[in-house]
Amino acid sequence: KNEVEQSPQNLTAQEGEFITINCSYSVGISALHWLQQHPGGGIVSLFMLSSGKKKHGRLIATINIQEKHSSLHITASHPRDSAVYICAAYQLPDYGGATNKLIFGTGTLLAVQP
Amino acid sequence: EAGVTQFPSHSVIEKGQTVTLRCDPISGHDNLYWYRRVMGKEIKFLLHFVKESKQDESGMPNNRFLAERTGGTYSTLKVQPAELEDSGVYFCASSQDKELGTGSVSEKLFFGSGTQLSVL
Repeated sequence: KNEVEQSPQNLTAQEGEFITINCSYSVGISALHWLQQHPGGGIVSLFMLSSGKKKHGRLIATINIQEKHSSLHITASHPRDSAVYICAAYQLPDYGGATNKLIFGTGTLLAVQP
Repeated sequence: EAGVTQFPSHSVIEKGQTVTLRCDPISGHDNLYWYRRVMGKEIKFLLHFVKESKQDESGMPNNRFLAERTGGTYSTLKVQPAELEDSGVYFCASSQDKELGTGSVSEKLFFGSGTQLSVL
């Protein structure tokens, strides 16, 4: 079982719908990235957050460190939002301190239909 | 500003051959990371450079993989000899130092487009 789990694995939505992608993790983390990869494109970091909520345009990311859960929300979805969304977390090592080692979820394939 | 560039974009080699992947990070970025996605699996961390030093190489699968970052600029990842299970997409990413402040952490992480490696 992967330390970072995402749901759903696949998501199809109609244009304009509100979308939520969930990420749960089973290890201690210091922070978490939400990444986006369009078909045939490179990976882009949308957010990095360690607490609370961040918003950028129609995208909102939240994290609850105690519950080990993060969500990515897309409001008023558009076909250009179609992409793979990946959650990746910085794992806290057992010996304390911090690490830059990212653990990735398997990704959520989002298709927004017009 | 140029982004993270990787070369080649695709490489097809035979089992037993050697392949060298290159990553040019964004100028001034001390942190350089290598990751790999094997077909159908999640992306896995391989290693992390800070300037020319290997900060963490715990994700390197075995001693057939050798990463270098001489001079703290570009990095190479050599696979010798390549095996079938080495096939996948190899990503490079770079960043400046993580910033810690007011209880929050910030690291702008920039990825390259990846190298698709196929070992036949």
